[in-house]
Amino acid sequence: DTGVSQNPRHKITKRGQNVTFRCDPISEHNRLYWYRQTLGQGPEFLTYFQNEAQLEKSRLLSDRFSAERPKGSFSTLEIQRTEQGDSAMYLCASSFGGSESGNTIYFGEGSWLTVV
Amino acid sequence: DAKTTQPNSMESNEEEPVHLPCNHSTISGTDYIHWYRQLPSQGPEYVIHGLTSNVNNRMASLAIAEDRKSSTLILHRATLRDAAVYYCILRDASGTYKYIFGTGTRLKVLA
Repeated sequence: DTGVSQNPRHKITKRGQNVTFRCDPISEHNRLYWYRQTLGQGPEFLTYFQNEAQLEKSRLLSDRFSAERPKGSFSTLEIQRTEQGDSAMYLCASSFGGSESGNTIYFGEGSWLTVV
Repeated sequence: DAKTTQPNSMESNEEEPVHLPCNHSTISGTDYIHWYRQLPSQGPEYVIHGLTSNVNNRMASLAIAEDRKSSTLILHRATLRDAAVYYCILRDASGTYKYIFGTGTRLKVLA
């Protein structure tokens, strides 16, 4: 399967702990996106990268959230000092820019976080 | 933010066509309209996208209004497997590659 891969798929953590999610985009996709989705809502934009550069961050991304894409390939999303309100599905997506294809983004299956 | 407006829910009978509308009156001239669908506990799945002309693929058709302020996703023969939340999305008006999702349309397919 050459789609967007996210790990772990499920994570249960205690409030106050740190968690990290990993995303492996589709090979050769230079743009990578993180979204958060809570029950009954559409995905909310968090941040996106073009290659290794983080080009935009949502105000939803508090100082407890950080994302990296060190070599322009995989990305990590870390949440420090988790709170119960962080419980959500974290979605990663990727796209290939630089063409006239409309920059279609492809999503992974998501990583579910439950903070207890 | 680039905004789209969709009905919260729709119903269709199995084997019948479904027309899912989306309004995007603030669309810029160069922005593509993308449609995704999402099954429970899964990530959104790409369905179709277009710029100005109507588009067809194996999953659906996309009809885009001449003024581009609205579009319609057409499922030609709904099946039970098409029951999902359907989103039409645009890039943010700032021109970055930030895509904005609304709450989508929950499609229920009746057997």
